[in-house]
Amino acid sequence: AQTVTQSQPEMSVQEAETVTLSCTYDTSESDYYLFWYKQPPSRQMILVIRQEAYKQQNATENRFSVNFQKAAKSFSLKISDSQLGDAAMYFCAYKSDNSGYALNFGKGTSLLVTP
Amino acid sequence: DTGVSQDPRHKITKRGQNVTFRCDPISEHNRLYWYRQTLGQGPEFLTYFQNEAQLEKSRLLSDRFSAERPKGSFSTLEIQRTEQGDSAMYLCASSSSPTSGFQETQYFGPGTRLLVL
Repeated sequence: AQTVTQSQPEMSVQEAETVTLSCTYDTSESDYYLFWYKQPPSRQMILVIRQEAYKQQNATENRFSVNFQKAAKSFSLKISDSQLGDAAMYFCAYKSDNSGYALNFGKGTSLLVTP
Repeated sequence: DTGVSQDPRHKITKRGQNVTFRCDPISEHNRLYWYRQTLGQGPEFLTYFQNEAQLEKSRLLSDRFSAERPKGSFSTLEIQRTEQGDSAMYLCASSSSPTSGFQETQYFGPGTRLLVL
């Protein structure tokens, strides 16, 4: 089974600054998808950004971008111009393209944004 | 609101009781997933439906757990003889099957928080 590791239980960033959340994963597959989900306190989980493993270009969604290093099995999330509303738990997730339908999640990183 | 909805949002029960949760997916979504999330952890996959067929079950889904999606629309998750270890947030997600040029994205509901006393 694929495992996803988020080594930073908590991170803190000042408003308007940039922060990077780390994620590594373990897989023997070549085709898969990677995701970052955001879970605000007492609110439902929403998709922030996704990356297809076959694409070399890093995905970008407005202030959110990823650094996908396939050989290193690393998938970090960069949040630019941080806003108070970015405060949440962030989960990295892996989905196989060939076996199973489930998302495999990491344990999450709690992001605190300070004024 | 046309997102994924779950009912109830909170449930407190005594050990040994049965509980049932409901999930209403986004209306055009044919795929439905159940996950369990305990405190300080990421969600863990429980089971997956494509239309009314249950195609995948995790080892986490013990024989006390049963899920159904009778008409390929809403789904129920029942836990029989609840144990304190069942206390968790139960999340439902739905998606459409990927087609050419369209990639699958799972959309999550708000969850049902279960506390077993």
